[in-house]
Amino acid sequence: GENVEQHPSTLSVQEGDSAVIKCTYSDSASNYFPWYKQELGKGPQLIIDIRSNVGEKKDQRIAVTLNKTAKHFSLHITETQPEDSAVYFCAGSQTGANNLFFGTGTRLTVIP
Amino acid sequence: GAVVSQHPSRVICKSGTSVKIECRSLDFQATTMFWYRQFPKQSLMLMATSNEGSKATYEQGVEKDKFLINHASLTLSTLTVTSAHPEDSSFYICSAEVRSEETQYFGPGTRLLVL
Repeated sequence: GENVEQHPSTLSVQEGDSAVIKCTYSDSASNYFPWYKQELGKGPQLIIDIRSNVGEKKDQRIAVTLNKTAKHFSLHITETQPEDSAVYFCAGSQTGANNLFFGTGTRLTVIP
Repeated sequence: GAVVSQHPSRVICKSGTSVKIECRSLDFQATTMFWYRQFPKQSLMLMATSNEGSKATYEQGVEKDKFLINHASLTLSTLTVTSAHPEDSSFYICSAEVRSEETQYFGPGTRLLVL
Protein backbone atom coordinates (compact mmCIF):
# COMPACT_ATOMS: atom_id res chain seq x y z
CA GLY A 1 0.00 0.00 0.00
CA GLU A 2 0.87 3.66 -0.05
CA ASN A 3 3.33 5.09 2.46
CA VAL A 4 3.51 8.83 3.00
CA GLU A 5 6.40 10.35 4.92
CA GLN A 6 6.36 13.91 6.19
CA HIS A 7 9.14 16.23 7.39
CA PRO A 8 9.83 18.01 9.59
CA SER A 9 7.79 16.87 12.57
CA THR A 10 8.07 20.31 14.16
CA LEU A 11 8.79 23.69 12.62
CA SER A 12 9.13 27.10 14.23
CA VAL A 13 9.31 30.27 12.18
CA GLN A 14 9.21 33.97 12.89
CA GLU A 15 6.06 35.79 11.92
CA GLY A 16 6.35 36.97 8.34
CA ASP A 17 8.81 34.27 7.31
CA SER A 18 7.98 31.36 5.03
CA ALA A 19 7.36 27.77 6.09
CA VAL A 20 7.89 24.68 3.96
CA ILE A 21 6.70 21.19 4.76
CA LYS A 22 7.70 18.24 2.60
CA CYS A 23 6.12 14.86 1.95
CA THR A 24 7.18 11.86 -0.07
CA TYR A 25 5.04 9.00 -1.25
CA SER A 26 5.80 5.49 -2.40
CA ASP A 27 3.00 4.48 -4.77
CA SER A 28 3.44 5.94 -8.23
CA ALA A 29 -0.26 5.32 -8.86
CA SER A 30 -1.23 7.99 -6.30
CA ASN A 31 -2.55 11.05 -8.06
CA TYR A 32 -4.35 13.19 -5.46
CA PHE A 33 -2.56 15.02 -2.66
CA PRO A 34 -4.50 17.13 -0.15
CA TRP A 35 -3.13 19.13 2.75
CA TYR A 36 -5.04 19.50 6.00
CA LYS A 37 -4.62 21.93 8.88
CA GLN A 38 -5.64 20.73 12.32
CA GLU A 39 -5.98 23.08 15.25
CA LEU A 40 -5.97 21.80 18.80
CA GLY A 41 -9.10 19.81 19.63
CA LYS A 42 -10.59 20.21 16.16
CA GLY A 43 -10.96 18.11 13.04
CA PRO A 44 -8.63 18.52 10.05
CA GLN A 45 -9.53 21.29 7.63
CA LEU A 46 -8.71 20.98 3.95
CA ILE A 47 -6.54 23.95 2.97
CA ILE A 48 -5.31 23.04 -0.48
CA ASP A 49 -4.98 20.02 -2.73
CA ILE A 50 -3.26 19.11 -5.95
CA ARG A 51 -3.77 16.46 -8.57
CA SER A 52 -1.04 14.83 -10.59
CA ASN A 53 -1.90 16.61 -13.81
CA VAL A 54 -0.43 19.87 -12.46
CA GLY A 55 2.89 20.72 -10.87
CA GLU A 56 1.90 23.65 -8.73
CA LYS A 57 -1.19 25.24 -7.23
CA LYS A 58 -1.50 28.45 -5.29
CA ASP A 59 -4.18 29.97 -3.10
CA GLN A 60 -3.20 33.34 -1.61
CA ARG A 61 -0.39 32.66 0.90
CA ILE A 62 -0.49 28.91 0.44
CA ALA A 63 1.01 26.92 -2.42
CA VAL A 64 1.65 23.27 -3.10
CA THR A 65 4.18 21.83 -5.52
CA LEU A 66 4.29 18.31 -6.86
CA ASN A 67 7.19 16.41 -8.40
CA LYS A 68 5.80 13.17 -9.79
CA THR A 69 9.16 11.88 -10.92
CA ALA A 70 10.68 12.20 -7.47
CA LYS A 71 7.36 11.35 -5.79
CA HIS A 72 7.34 14.26 -3.43
CA PHE A 73 5.14 17.25 -2.79
CA SER A 74 5.51 20.28 -0.59
CA LEU A 75 3.38 22.87 1.18
CA HIS A 76 4.61 26.44 1.14
CA ILE A 77 3.17 29.11 3.43
CA THR A 78 4.40 32.64 2.88
CA GLU A 79 4.12 35.66 5.19
CA THR A 80 3.25 33.41 8.10
CA GLN A 81 0.96 34.67 10.82
CA PRO A 82 0.41 33.40 14.39
CA GLU A 83 -2.95 31.96 13.34
CA ASP A 84 -1.10 29.66 10.96
CA SER A 85 0.17 27.79 14.03
CA ALA A 86 -1.34 24.30 13.90
CA VAL A 87 -0.55 20.72 12.90
CA TYR A 88 -0.42 20.17 9.16
CA PHE A 89 -0.99 16.78 7.55
CA CYS A 90 -0.25 15.78 4.00
CA ALA A 91 -2.03 12.85 2.40
CA GLY A 92 -2.06 10.87 -0.81
CA SER A 93 -4.56 8.70 -2.61
CA GLN A 94 -5.58 7.30 -5.95
CA THR A 95 -8.58 8.68 -7.75
CA GLY A 96 -11.57 6.49 -7.03
CA ALA A 97 -9.78 4.52 -4.34
CA ASN A 98 -11.24 6.51 -1.45
CA ASN A 99 -8.47 5.79 1.03
CA LEU A 100 -6.34 8.71 2.13
CA PHE A 101 -2.89 7.81 3.40
CA PHE A 102 -1.76 10.44 5.86
CA GLY A 103 1.67 11.68 6.75
CA THR A 104 2.68 11.87 10.40
CA GLY A 105 2.02 15.58 10.72
CA THR A 106 4.07 18.74 11.22
CA ARG A 107 3.52 21.01 14.19
CA LEU A 108 4.05 24.55 12.93
CA THR A 109 4.60 27.33 15.42
CA VAL A 110 4.68 30.91 14.20
CA ILE A 111 6.45 33.13 16.70
CA PRO A 112 5.05 36.67 16.92
CA GLY B 1 -16.03 23.82 1.26
CA ALA B 2 -18.50 21.17 2.32
CA VAL B 3 -19.57 21.05 5.97
CA VAL B 4 -19.51 17.96 8.14
CA SER B 5 -20.80 17.92 11.70
CA GLN B 6 -20.30 15.50 14.54
CA HIS B 7 -22.25 14.97 17.71
CA PRO B 8 -21.43 14.91 20.52
CA SER B 9 -18.21 16.92 20.58
CA ARG B 10 -17.11 15.21 23.75
CA VAL B 11 -18.47 12.43 25.90
CA ILE B 12 -17.50 10.86 29.20
CA CYS B 13 -18.88 7.45 30.00
CA LYS B 14 -18.40 4.61 32.42
CA SER B 15 -16.58 1.46 31.44
CA GLY B 16 -18.94 -1.12 29.96
CA THR B 17 -21.42 1.31 28.47
CA SER B 18 -21.97 1.98 24.78
CA VAL B 19 -21.52 5.34 23.09
CA LYS B 20 -22.97 6.49 19.77
CA ILE B 21 -21.32 9.19 17.69
CA GLU B 22 -23.15 10.82 14.78
CA CYS B 23 -21.59 12.21 11.63
CA ARG B 24 -23.65 14.34 9.27
CA SER B 25 -22.95 15.96 5.93
CA LEU B 26 -24.85 19.24 6.16
CA ASP B 27 -24.89 20.60 2.64
CA PHE B 28 -24.21 17.62 0.43
CA GLN B 29 -24.99 13.95 0.08
CA ALA B 30 -22.19 11.59 0.96
CA THR B 31 -22.32 8.08 -0.39
CA THR B 32 -19.06 7.37 1.40
CA MET B 33 -18.05 8.37 4.91
CA PHE B 34 -14.95 7.45 6.85
CA TRP B 35 -14.20 6.98 10.53
CA TYR B 36 -10.79 7.77 11.95
CA ARG B 37 -9.21 7.52 15.34
CA GLN B 38 -6.48 9.85 16.52
CA PHE B 39 -4.28 9.48 19.57
CA PRO B 40 -2.58 12.54 21.09
CA LYS B 41 0.14 13.99 18.89
CA GLN B 42 -0.33 11.27 16.31
CA SER B 43 -1.70 11.06 12.81
CA LEU B 44 -5.16 9.90 11.82
CA MET B 45 -5.76 6.17 11.69
CA LEU B 46 -8.50 4.98 9.37
CA MET B 47 -10.87 2.63 11.16
CA ALA B 48 -13.49 1.92 8.54
CA THR B 49 -15.10 3.07 5.33
CA SER B 50 -18.85 3.40 5.37
CA ASN B 51 -20.95 3.25 2.22
CA GLU B 52 -24.59 4.22 2.28
CA GLY B 53 -26.85 1.22 2.34
CA SER B 54 -24.14 -1.40 2.70
CA LYS B 55 -21.89 -2.86 5.35
CA ALA B 56 -18.84 -0.92 6.41
CA THR B 57 -15.37 -2.04 5.42
CA TYR B 58 -13.08 -2.23 8.42
CA GLU B 59 -9.32 -1.79 8.42
CA GLN B 60 -7.13 -4.59 9.64
CA GLY B 61 -7.05 -4.80 13.40
CA VAL B 62 -10.30 -2.90 13.95
CA GLU B 63 -12.97 -5.03 15.63
CA LYS B 64 -16.24 -4.67 13.74
CA ASP B 65 -18.25 -5.98 16.68
CA LYS B 66 -16.64 -3.40 18.92
CA PHE B 67 -17.08 -0.44 16.60
CA LEU B 68 -20.48 -0.67 14.96
CA ILE B 69 -20.99 1.55 11.94
CA ASN B 70 -24.31 2.37 10.33
CA HIS B 71 -24.75 4.51 7.23
CA ALA B 72 -28.48 4.45 6.73
CA SER B 73 -28.84 7.67 4.74
CA LEU B 74 -26.82 9.83 2.40
CA THR B 75 -26.24 12.40 5.11
CA LEU B 76 -25.77 10.37 8.28
CA SER B 77 -23.32 7.76 9.52
CA THR B 78 -23.06 6.59 13.11
CA LEU B 79 -20.26 4.93 15.04
CA THR B 80 -21.19 3.02 18.18
CA VAL B 81 -18.43 2.04 20.56
CA THR B 82 -19.86 -0.97 22.34
CA SER B 83 -18.90 -1.95 25.86
CA ALA B 84 -16.38 0.85 26.01
CA HIS B 85 -13.21 0.48 28.06
CA PRO B 86 -10.58 3.04 29.08
CA GLU B 87 -8.34 2.01 26.17
CA ASP B 88 -11.09 3.14 23.80
CA SER B 89 -10.58 6.70 25.01
CA SER B 90 -9.51 8.70 21.98
CA PHE B 91 -10.42 11.40 19.50
CA TYR B 92 -12.79 10.01 16.87
CA ILE B 93 -13.15 11.92 13.61
CA CYS B 94 -15.41 11.26 10.66
CA SER B 95 -15.09 12.50 7.12
CA ALA B 96 -17.40 12.54 4.15
CA GLU B 97 -16.47 12.39 0.53
CA VAL B 98 -17.80 14.81 -2.01
CA ARG B 99 -17.93 12.38 -4.89
CA SER B 100 -17.75 15.00 -7.63
CA GLU B 101 -14.56 16.40 -6.09
CA GLU B 102 -13.13 13.10 -4.85
CA THR B 103 -12.28 15.08 -1.72
CA GLN B 104 -12.81 14.26 1.94
CA TYR B 105 -14.10 16.87 4.36
CA PHE B 106 -13.70 16.21 8.06
CA GLY B 107 -15.98 16.71 11.01
CA PRO B 108 -14.83 18.53 14.15
CA GLY B 109 -14.19 15.29 16.02
CA THR B 110 -15.55 13.66 19.17
CA ARG B 111 -13.41 13.25 22.24
CA LEU B 112 -14.33 10.09 24.11
CA LEU B 113 -13.19 9.50 27.67
CA VAL B 114 -14.03 6.17 29.26
CA LEU B 115 -13.66 6.03 33.01
